[in-house]
Amino acid sequence: ETGVTQSPTHLIKTRGQQVTLRCSSQSGHNTVSWYQQALGQGPQFIFQYYREEENGRGNFPPRFSGLQFPNYSSELNVNALELDDSALYLCASTPDRAGGTEAFFGQGTRLTVV
Amino acid sequence: AQKVTQAQTEISVVEKEDVTLDCVYETRDTTYYLFWYKQPPSGELVFLIRRNSFDEQNEISGRYSWNFQKSTSSFNFTITASQVVDSAVYFCALSGRAGTALIFGKGTTLSVSS
Repeated sequence: ETGVTQSPTHLIKTRGQQVTLRCSSQSGHNTVSWYQQALGQGPQFIFQYYREEENGRGNFPPRFSGLQFPNYSSELNVNALELDDSALYLCASTPDRAGGTEAFFGQGTRLTVV
Repeated sequence: AQKVTQAQTEISVVEKEDVTLDCVYETRDTTYYLFWYKQPPSGELVFLIRRNSFDEQNEISGRYSWNFQKSTSSFNFTITASQVVDSAVYFCALSGRAGTALIFGKGTTLSVSS
């Protein structure tokens, strides 16, 4: 186990709704990244938070937003859900934001949009 | 732009066979990092190895070995004497010097039968 926990594990939402996914990072880790993994694909980087500030963003629209809290836990919010948002959402924590740092992943949240 | 290609979508072997998973990457950075992760059915990505661009030494860890060749932009992974427990999806990933965002390949599904 990596010490990174995500909740909920599974979620079903209706198109147009909003969803919040949560991640508790490993103790001592100040950097959290979120990834979207569609079925049969590799994870795609959504964004990264370092000490409560967004520190990089992938090619995702603004309806994907996030937060990082003082205890370094994090939330991923998705507004106006679309069918293509159905995927496994993975959270990864690292001890800092330096390149090449090993990322520890949670087990993910499986989101289904109907 | 950075890119990781895993041309093998699925590989099936019988226990005790050796198997090599291919990974080819593209980057303009001179400093970069390469990773392999294993994803069992539970969904969590499990870190296997990290290599930086200045270290081309091959590495062996038990039944696992990695061959990094900058001349061909490849970072291949070999499992010797495969076991059923090796069945999983394997991802190769790349990150640059700045930040820890990972660029993943599409993954190779390895099935090992007894």
